[in-house]
Parts: sequence; structure tokens; C-alpha cells
Amino acid sequence: SQQGEEDPQALSIQEGENATMNCSYKTSINNLQWYRQNSGRGLVHLILIRSNEREKHSGRLRVTLDTSKKSSSLLITASRAADTASYFCATDPSNTGKLIFGQGTTLQVKP
Amino acid sequence: DTGVSQNPRHKITKRGQNVTFRCDPISEHNRLYWYRQTLGQGPEFLTYFQNEAQLEKSRLLSDRFSAERPKGSFSTLEIQRTEQGDSAMYLCASSLTGKVEKLFFGSGTQLSVL
Repeated sequence: SQQGEEDPQALSIQEGENATMNCSYKTSINNLQWYRQNSGRGLVHLILIRSNEREKHSGRLRVTLDTSKKSSSLLITASRAADTASYFCATDPSNTGKLIFGQGTTLQVKP
Repeated sequence: DTGVSQNPRHKITKRGQNVTFRCDPISEHNRLYWYRQTLGQGPEFLTYFQNEAQLEKSRLLSDRFSAERPKGSFSTLEIQRTEQGDSAMYLCASSLTGKVEKLFFGSGTQLSVL
């Protein structure tokens, strides 16, 4: 069954603004991943943060992880219209690639 | 294109019919996964293969579902006696065994059961 929740479910911002998405999970983790999905397409891996890390950066992406609260956040800075997509967090408790996804946040960036 | 390829992209079928989807993973990837995604939800794990061996199946995978990867390369997912509740996007992903922290997904097959 699915576990974890993402917040907000939908987010609409203007180009140039920052977007923050939050994710909660239930099990213990080795790492937490964020994926992006354009409408009607497959998922693309964005970034992975390990359980012993608190923050990680990749380009305009910043991910934080709080294992005591079992939560993570994804920040996209200086958003662009091309960032419009759904964003999912995922955990892999068994470290087999059997991912457990959240429900996702749908981001709309208006030009 | 060296990414994960799925065919067909769309499939419309009548309830009770059988359907089969194909996935071609990235050539050197020995792990292959199937996920199902319904509208507004995140993907849910169905099953995965290590080479030709099917290592795990989700409880979501009823007896009407069968997946194969006969030569450890491409995989097929068959649904027999389709039901309207089977309507979903079926996603395939692949990875190397030692690098399961990053899955590469195909564009999916959108199934509509009328």
C-alpha cells in the first residue's frame, strides 16, 4: 500500500518564484528520492538524499531530510515554466528498487 | 534512443479482453520493474525481475496478471479478462543491480478498459 503524504497536493506559482514541496513517510529509510513526472509521461529521477544527510543541493534543487520527523522537503528555486510537472517522493525500505511513492505534488509555474 | 521503451503507448480494450504490454529496458540493466499508476496517485509497485528471474510480486498483482522476462532482456505484462478497475498507466523501469537507488522509467502504457 502507499505510504507517506505530500503537501501541498497542488501548487501554482509565477515564474521566478520558489516552490517548496513536503513529503512525509512512515518506515525507516536508507535514503529518500525525488522524482518528476511530466503529464502523461514516465518519471525522471531528480535527487537522492541518504538517511545520514540533512541537506543536499543539485542545481536549482535543494532537498532536506528530517529523519526524526520522517519528513523531507524539495525546494525549486527561481522556477521556470518548464518546471511544471508532478513531483513525487519515494522511499525504498528494502533497498531493492521497490519504491514506495507519495501521492505527489502538482506544480504549475505560470510564465 | 537508449532509454526504457514501452509499447504500446496507449491501449483501449473492452472488458473481458486480454492485453499484453512490452517493455525494453536499458540494454545493460539487469533489474526490471513494473509499476501501476492511477490518476492523481503515485506509482505502485507490481513486480520486479533480476535478469530472467521474477523476484517479487505485489499483492496487487492478481492471478489475472502475469509478467515474464524470458531471456533477461525485454519483459511483457499480460492482463487476462480485463476489468474496468485495471484502467491505469503501467510503467516499466530498469536499473543495474548495484545501483537500484536510481530507476530509469519508460513513458508508460496507458490502458483504458471500456
